[in-house]
Amino acid sequence: DAKTTQPNSMESNEEEPVHLPCNHSTISGTDYIHWYRQLPSQGPEYVIHGLTSNVNNRMASLAIAEDRKSSTLILHRATLRDAAVYYCILKDSGAGSYQLTFGKGTKLSVIP
Amino acid sequence: DAGVIQSPRHEVTEMGQEVTLRCKPISGHNSLFWYRQTMMRGLELLIYFNNNVPIDDSGMPEDRFSAKMPNASFSTLKIQPSEPRDSAVYFCASSRDGVYGYTFGSGTRLTVV
Repeated sequence: DAKTTQPNSMESNEEEPVHLPCNHSTISGTDYIHWYRQLPSQGPEYVIHGLTSNVNNRMASLAIAEDRKSSTLILHRATLRDAAVYYCILKDSGAGSYQLTFGKGTKLSVIP
Repeated sequence: DAGVIQSPRHEVTEMGQEVTLRCKPISGHNSLFWYRQTMMRGLELLIYFNNNVPIDDSGMPEDRFSAKMPNASFSTLKIQPSEPRDSAVYFCASSRDGVYGYTFGSGTRLTVV
């Protein structure tokens, strides 16, 4: 599986935007970029995914670099409920490719 | 939609006992995954099924671990005999064809004493 690199931890003030970076220099053409988050004492939760173009949904935005070697998850206005571990994962879109392999992620702390 | 349902939420058992964890995936999802999470090793994929068939069990740590999916709405993960190092949170997840977003259950916290 192609690897991703994320900072171990980040802090943000409440109600400010948060930009969570992810490097994936060995990404292949068929890899989608997935983001999940895990709130304390809960299972991981799907946030967003994309291939080449930037993506928006109700939870977050995903900005993908033109060369696809990095991406940024953007939370537009952090709340205390956004404090979680955020995982950036590359997933092959090929037929029969089912695995999601989790790394260590970025632990986001939100300061009131 | 009730989401992915796992039972029990907590299990405490003695070393050597058999433990069975249960999972009900989301209706219509045909891929099911079992993960284990520990502080030391993070989230590890143990085994996954597609259309009730085990596709890859290379993550299962030992022969003491086994998983079944007798039908599209039920799966079990069994540990026999259990050991203290099996203590972890076990998550079940499901998705449609392994392509779209995965939905995880709330997990089973297993403690083997």
